[in-house]
Amino acid sequence: DTGVSQNPRHKITKRGQNVTFRCDPISEHNRLYWYRQTLGQGPEFLTYFQNEAQLEKSRLLSDRFSAERPKGSFSTLEIQRTEQGDSAMYLCASSLTRTGGNTEAFFGQGTRLTVV
Amino acid sequence: AQSVTQLGSHVSVSEGALVLLRCNYSSSVPPYLFWYVQYPNQGLQLLLKYTSAATLVKGINGFEAEFKKSETSFHLTKPSAHMSDAAEYFCAVSDQGFNKFYFGSGTKLNVKP
Repeated sequence: DTGVSQNPRHKITKRGQNVTFRCDPISEHNRLYWYRQTLGQGPEFLTYFQNEAQLEKSRLLSDRFSAERPKGSFSTLEIQRTEQGDSAMYLCASSLTRTGGNTEAFFGQGTRLTVV
Repeated sequence: AQSVTQLGSHVSVSEGALVLLRCNYSSSVPPYLFWYVQYPNQGLQLLLKYTSAATLVKGINGFEAEFKKSETSFHLTKPSAHMSDAAEYFCAVSDQGFNKFYFGSGTKLNVKP
């Protein structure tokens, strides 16, 4: 396994368009996280899944944002009616949660979104 | 509630000098603490983690960090900086369930020849 994979790596879109990003976690990992990172800031938590269940969403995740993990494997993050303020790096991470210990989060290389 | 404060958004050291990047945390539960490194246009790579075992944690690339509960600190050090250490470093805290991670705003390390 080569780690967490995110596609696309870069996306330029016009304001008002919808975009969708994909994240493929490390295969046995049951936790999947989405973070957003703007220039000069640390990553900010958006949401996370335990298998296919979305357990928590940040207030940063407005109703224009939706995330899914339909079969508990890959996940998608969709942004509808994009705004310039959505321009950021979107990071996905995964970890393994189990009785007796958890692994740390392993991050993908991110999808950089530019809204023009 | 959990949060992390990284003191110094930019740190510059000479090659071969000591690296010290500061991190203070706030947590209402016993924390897990992490340092990640990020190179330009890349994701985050884990350097080291504290998960309530030894308070002095050794990581990759010669980095280490010490958990000091009394000071609520988890500073990152490296005895001798290399040019390849130039990157941005993030401190993060989570609860013991890894439910989510809170990151600091990052410290950019510059290494001068």
